[in-house]
Amino acid sequence: EAQVTQNPRYLITVTGKKLTVTCSQNMNHEYMSWYRQDPGLGLRQIYYSMNVEVTDKGDVPEGYKVSRKEKRNFPLILESPSPNQTSLYFCASSSSGQSYGYTFGSGTRLTVV
Amino acid sequence: GDSVTQMEGPVTLSEEAFLTINCTYTATGYPSLFWYVQYPGEGLQLLLKATKADDKGSNKGFEATYRKETTSFHLEKGSVQVSDSAVYFCALTRNTGGFKTIFGAGTRLFVKA
Repeated sequence: EAQVTQNPRYLITVTGKKLTVTCSQNMNHEYMSWYRQDPGLGLRQIYYSMNVEVTDKGDVPEGYKVSRKEKRNFPLILESPSPNQTSLYFCASSSSGQSYGYTFGSGTRLTVV
Repeated sequence: GDSVTQMEGPVTLSEEAFLTINCTYTATGYPSLFWYVQYPGEGLQLLLKATKADDKGSNKGFEATYRKETTSFHLEKGSVQVSDSAVYFCALTRNTGGFKTIFGAGTRLFVKA
């Protein structure tokens, strides 16, 4: 089944403790992206990757890191999480080109206390 | 810059009622337009798309027509069901060298039996 898999689904952590949210897709998509979803703010792009070793900032990159060492994986790293990073995070992938829509993961609900 | 504006929700309808969710956009060039649906506790799913002016996207009884003259992409369904209760997001994607996707804020739909 074609899918984007995120882990974990739920995570509670403490301020300053480094964490990684994993994302993997099995569709050989070139393009991958991370979004956060907050009430009243919709979806905001954090980082995206056009292909292996090619990443760039989205609209809200502060406090986040990403890497794309393999085509299928695009982990999101929070080096020193803070409470304002409490949010619902989505990974998404797409074939290259503007006419393709995204396939989204099921989401990771992160709480930083 | 590019933007997507959706009608504010929530929208509450009775089963079998007609649904319209308005979406207008601002973008240079010729973006592709999308509707995504998010059911409770899940990630977004691509519902339908249109990639050029006057195209009609359709899926599961939902339709939307790409209207360049009015910069609109309104979502319609002739007869809604309780199972259509979800949040609906309008989005555009435009080739910017890479490509950029902008989401609307989302419209929550409640359908009563």
